[in-house]
Amino acid sequence: DVKVTQSSRYLVKRTGEKVFLECVQDMDHENMFWYRQDPGLGLRLIYFSYDVKMKEKGDIPEGYSVSREKKERFSLILESASTNQTSMYLCASSFAGIGTDTQYFGPGTRLTVL
Amino acid sequence: DAKTTQPTSMDCAEGRAANLPCNHSTISGNEYVYWYRQIHSQGPQYIIHGLKNNETNEMASLIITEDRKSSTLILPHATLRDTAVYYCIVRTGSARQLTFGSGTQLTVLP
Repeated sequence: DVKVTQSSRYLVKRTGEKVFLECVQDMDHENMFWYRQDPGLGLRLIYFSYDVKMKEKGDIPEGYSVSREKKERFSLILESASTNQTSMYLCASSFAGIGTDTQYFGPGTRLTVL
Repeated sequence: DAKTTQPTSMDCAEGRAANLPCNHSTISGNEYVYWYRQIHSQGPQYIIHGLKNNETNEMASLIITEDRKSSTLILPHATLRDTAVYYCIVRTGSARQLTFGSGTQLTVLP
């Protein structure tokens, strides 16, 4: 079974803090994704990575950065947390094969910025 | 990606089959039908996907009509733990991201 784990289920931070969210997958997947999910707005892609040290911006990259130093690990960084970054953050990974890629999600991190 | 239409909510008795419909009348020939579900406050869980043929795995069956304009996800013996929002998604193989619509809130009743 594919397993995607995220470093925290719940996190509370203060405005201006630097926040690190970590994601690890154990299936040797090339692709990894960071989404945020908000009520009424659905799932929005922040960044994705298709290989080690490679990254591409998604729909809402502002205020975020990412790091992928190892294939299994993809980190999301909030450089200076703000209250509008309070959200559910979801990491996903997929195999970059021929045809279609199935994305597998982690349990999510519910981040509250005070 | 093609747009999908799902009922807002459905109920199902525990132990009975849950049949969740999805309309995707504008689907293109290279687009797959995916189903995910999301239990409250958890990450989405992949269920099944298909292109043309019906598919079955340990979780569910996916029935796609011959014209591919609609599909049905079948949970053969629903349990209380199947209560979740179920999302039907249509996407190409090259699409980077997943786009979830409103989904169907399935409530399994004891």
